[in-house]
Amino acid sequence: ETGVTQSPTHLIKTRGQQVTLRCSSQSGHNTVSWYQQALGQGPQFIFQYYREEENGRGNFPPRFSGLQFPNYSSELNVNALELDDSALYLCASSLARTGFGYTFGSGTRLTVV
Amino acid sequence: AQSVTQLDSQVPVFEEAPVELRCNYSSSVSVYLFWYVQYPNQGLQLLLKYLSGSTLVESINGFEAEFNKSQTSFHLRKPSVHISDTAEYFCAVSDPLRGGATNKLIFGTGTLLAVQP
Repeated sequence: ETGVTQSPTHLIKTRGQQVTLRCSSQSGHNTVSWYQQALGQGPQFIFQYYREEENGRGNFPPRFSGLQFPNYSSELNVNALELDDSALYLCASSLARTGFGYTFGSGTRLTVV
Repeated sequence: AQSVTQLDSQVPVFEEAPVELRCNYSSSVSVYLFWYVQYPNQGLQLLLKYLSGSTLVESINGFEAEFNKSQTSFHLRKPSVHISDTAEYFCAVSDPLRGGATNKLIFGTGTLLAVQP
């Protein structure tokens, strides 16, 4: 049973650029959630994808968008990067209607300069 | 909306001493609570969870947490800590999303457990 894998592990971008982060779900999981963890803070919910549709969204602007593919992998896209977007981005997969077993990836560390 | 408060940003403790990391949540019906641990430069690992039943839940590495509805708390305890327990600990509460089939997690700001020799 594979866990959640995220790529890349580290990324440096310039303000105003666009970035795509990727996540492969744990085998058998059909739901993917993305969280942003700023330095010294707890993770904040960005959005969740279930059955390839956005199933809920936190307090993040529209320039944060995502996709879920038929194999349940997912992408997080951020447009017009701002310095405050610098954070650890965590992906978590789960299986809907089976309880609360979230598996987190190791994250992508994004630095915006 | 649900919320979680971890009052202690850092807890220093000597090895083999007991420790308690505090967590309080906002009152809600059918609350589900979690503790996650994050080692440096890693993602989150589930330590233990309370969904229903016994109010005392235990992890495989000696941690335990007690759900206290009247005090809206879910404090994490360990009777004797090791150097390897040094990490950031996050308390979280589950919040249902549209349709009720899935949930999101609302995290506290974390507590750094610093175990000293």
